[in-house]
Amino acid sequence: GAVVSQHPSWVICKSGTSVKIECRSLDFQATTMFWYRQFPKQSLMLMATSNEGSKATYEQGVEKDKFLINHASLTLSTLTVTSAHPEDSSFYICSARNREDQPQHFGDGTRLSIL
Amino acid sequence: EDQVTQSPEALRLQEGESSSLNCSYTVSGLRGLFWYRQDPGKGPEFLFTLYSAGEEKEKERLKATLTKKESFLHITAPKPEDSATYLCAVHTSGGSYIPTFGRGTSLIVHP
Repeated sequence: GAVVSQHPSWVICKSGTSVKIECRSLDFQATTMFWYRQFPKQSLMLMATSNEGSKATYEQGVEKDKFLINHASLTLSTLTVTSAHPEDSSFYICSARNREDQPQHFGDGTRLSIL
Repeated sequence: EDQVTQSPEALRLQEGESSSLNCSYTVSGLRGLFWYRQDPGKGPEFLFTLYSAGEEKEKERLKATLTKKESFLHITAPKPEDSATYLCAVHTSGGSYIPTFGRGTSLIVHP
């Protein structure tokens, strides 16, 4: 149980394009979803928290116009990196949980490379 | 400010050599401590949740314990497949249940 599916797992695209990453909870209702960015050999950096049906809450320093998050249903959240540039290249990971006191369950991440 | 510190940063063990990883925390009102395992190029995999001091959880060669200031992840007779980065995270009453992660311990088990 508690499976989170993240797609795509790997994206290469040209600078200036927008990229959408999907995160789905397959067997539970995700009232809260989190989006993280991870640099090589570093820990997870929380980008934003989203609750179903509400606007996402972004961490300090994360541009909300750059990283658009939508959490329209209890099983799906999307992260769109708009007008991506090489500095946006990174490993992006989503997670989801059902209740506040429960652990998060993570997707397998998306490796984004902007040329 | 809530702080979570994991030690050591990296640990190399021989197969069968038991050891412990540490996660110490300074938080206001612990509401849960979570251990995860992360393999390279993958998202973290949930291992354990601990809610109160004295609590212990076990899974195969792993055992997690919790005190009022820290948690230990004990690895008994590790195997090469236990090699991974182990992360701990805490939820606090003052943090709206937004998890605070430690930087992780990178474990390598040599055959």
